[in-house]
Amino acid sequence: AQSVTQLDSQVPVFEEAPVELRCNYSSSVSVYLFWYVQYPNQGLQLLLKYLSGSTLVKSINGFEAEFNKSQTSFHLRKPSVHISDTAEYFCAVTHSGGYQKVTFGTGTKLQVIP
Amino acid sequence: DAGVTQSPTHLIKTRGQQVTLRCSPKSGHDTVSWYQQALGQGPQFIFQYYEEEERQRGNFPDRFSGHQFPNYSSELNVNALLLGDSALYLCASSGGQKGGYTFGSGTRLTVV
Repeated sequence: AQSVTQLDSQVPVFEEAPVELRCNYSSSVSVYLFWYVQYPNQGLQLLLKYLSGSTLVKSINGFEAEFNKSQTSFHLRKPSVHISDTAEYFCAVTHSGGYQKVTFGTGTKLQVIP
Repeated sequence: DAGVTQSPTHLIKTRGQQVTLRCSPKSGHDTVSWYQQALGQGPQFIFQYYEEEERQRGNFPDRFSGHQFPNYSSELNVNALLLGDSALYLCASSGGQKGGYTFGSGTRLTVV
């Protein structure tokens, strides 16, 4: 079985400040890890993913996440947030063997304060 | 290139009724998964369809059933609706490249 824990349900941060959204996972096998973003009344958009190789992965809009196998973590960071980053962020995990179900965390609401 | 399309966008049903939600996957994708997202929660896996067969299933009762058609589109059926079935139902498609699913905008189901 696999599980995901997002330690913070809400994270308020001032505009242009850095942010870290924490994610820890549990799995007995190799995993793929994802961060999805959900804007109000919309579906989920893939922000970035770790499949293999470099443990640091980056998105096109300045977010990055680092896979840490020893700490079973995949924290999401951005050095300077914008108002438009206000959304809910979901960390997710799936087994790396074939098409497996994706298990999501409970989400972290990022609120960027002007 | 169209992404994942879900219909309808919103739906209101009465307790005890049946509902059918529809999903067209992204072009080139052959696998469809359905998720239920209750208010304030993360999405919960319902089931996954591949080659018109249910390949995996989450912890949902038999009232939840599905179907995949030869063109890879899919339906989610829920019978004997309960108030607790009120949620956003998300369809996700994948295919070829491993990892990462493309999600639709969802169907908001309200059971009254």
